[in-house]
Amino acid sequence: AQSVTQLDSHVSVSEGTPVLLRCNYSSSYSPSLFWYVQHPNKGLQLLLKYTSAATLVKGINGFEAEFKKSETSFHLTKPSAHMSDAAEYFCVVTRLSGSARQLTFGSGTQLTVLP
Amino acid sequence: EAQVTQNPRYLITVTGKKLTVTCSQNMNHEYMSWYRQDPGLGLRQIYYSMNVEVTDKGDVPEGYKVSRKEKRNFPLILESPSPNQTSLYFCASSPRGTGPYNEQFFGPGTRLTVL
Repeated sequence: AQSVTQLDSHVSVSEGTPVLLRCNYSSSYSPSLFWYVQHPNKGLQLLLKYTSAATLVKGINGFEAEFKKSETSFHLTKPSAHMSDAAEYFCVVTRLSGSARQLTFGSGTQLTVLP
Repeated sequence: EAQVTQNPRYLITVTGKKLTVTCSQNMNHEYMSWYRQDPGLGLRQIYYSMNVEVTDKGDVPEGYKVSRKEKRNFPLILESPSPNQTSLYFCASSPRGTGPYNEQFFGPGTRLTVL
């Protein structure tokens, strides 16, 4: 079985300060991990993905995440928050079941950016 | 424009009245999936399809049906909706070629209310 835990349901930061959104996972297999962002009343958009090629993954809009196997973590960071980063963020792990693929989503972290 | 479309975007119905939410993608993707999003629970997978005529249950399939007769379409059917199926529904697609690492492309969502 696999699971994803997003450790904070809400995070507030001031514009221009760093962002840290935390994600821990458990998986019986070598995981594929993703971060998606959902802006209000919108669908989900891929921020970045980890596929075992490199442990530090860079995504769109200045976000990056580091895969740490020893800590089973995949935290999302950004050096300087922008007002447009305010959204909900989901950590996702993919599992393989035979030839099938299923995704497990975390419960989400709502990011608020204060002026 | 490459996209996933869903219809309707908003639907209010009554208990027991059969309904279908359509999903269509124009990217020739093999993999399609349905999710429901509920506050504090993230997205949970309902059903997925690896290709035409190939469908399988996700984590929360009870009360739902799907079919995949054409590659581009993946309708979600609620034969007898109940209030606990009130939720925000997302359809997604991705190419199958490189296994679990592919980005999922999400539709805009369908907000369903069952009275």
